[in-house]
Amino acid sequence: GESVGLHLPTLSVQEGDNSIINCAYSNSASDYFIWYKQESGKGPQFIIDIRSNMDKRQGQRVTVLLNKTVKHLSLQIAATQPGDSAVYFCAEKYTGNQFYFGTGTSLTVIP
Amino acid sequence: NAGVTQTPKFQVLKTGQSMTLQCAQDMNHEYMSWYRQDPGMGLRLIHYSVGAGITDQGEVPNGYNVSRSTTEDFPLRLLSAAPSQTSVYFCASSYSFSPPMGEQFFGPGTRLTVL
Repeated sequence: GESVGLHLPTLSVQEGDNSIINCAYSNSASDYFIWYKQESGKGPQFIIDIRSNMDKRQGQRVTVLLNKTVKHLSLQIAATQPGDSAVYFCAEKYTGNQFYFGTGTSLTVIP
Repeated sequence: NAGVTQTPKFQVLKTGQSMTLQCAQDMNHEYMSWYRQDPGMGLRLIHYSVGAGITDQGEVPNGYNVSRSTTEDFPLRLLSAAPSQTSVYFCASSYSFSPPMGEQFFGPGTRLTVL
């Protein structure tokens, strides 16, 4: 099946700056997307989700943007903190009960 | 709530050995899944279940069996371990696979090495 890809494998940002993590998906039939955060040695943790009938969704310090025209998903983290350092995955669902995960972007926050 | 628990945390097997990875959740979730995570490849779905007595194959099911006799438990069995099954295994549960309750809660993982 098709897989979700990420534009950048690593990202370094200064503490307090905003972070943007990108994700490209290839299946136009995908109808549901989720961002997860994975800290070292732990399981992934839900951050935010978005349905395909939405363009934007906001949470606490995070915003997900969906551009279906170019099949692009992004996660914006405001005022990045050291605790935000982790690997971030996007996951898409386009068939049955299966989620397809990207390879992840490693975010490092520089104090 | 303990959430999703997995045992063991670490395991070393020899090629050909069999074992069962345990997974339990106390959130009364109907949906449960097993993933494997390999370096540079993200998470890949092995098997999943939408309720007790119902299981289905995911993206990479070969070499693994599952059963779901209760809502709480979803064990993953390796029939004859191979070095290619060296990976970190995550169990996850959720209310659904669709919005608005599609977020999955993941366990801490089992790191498996097959020699």
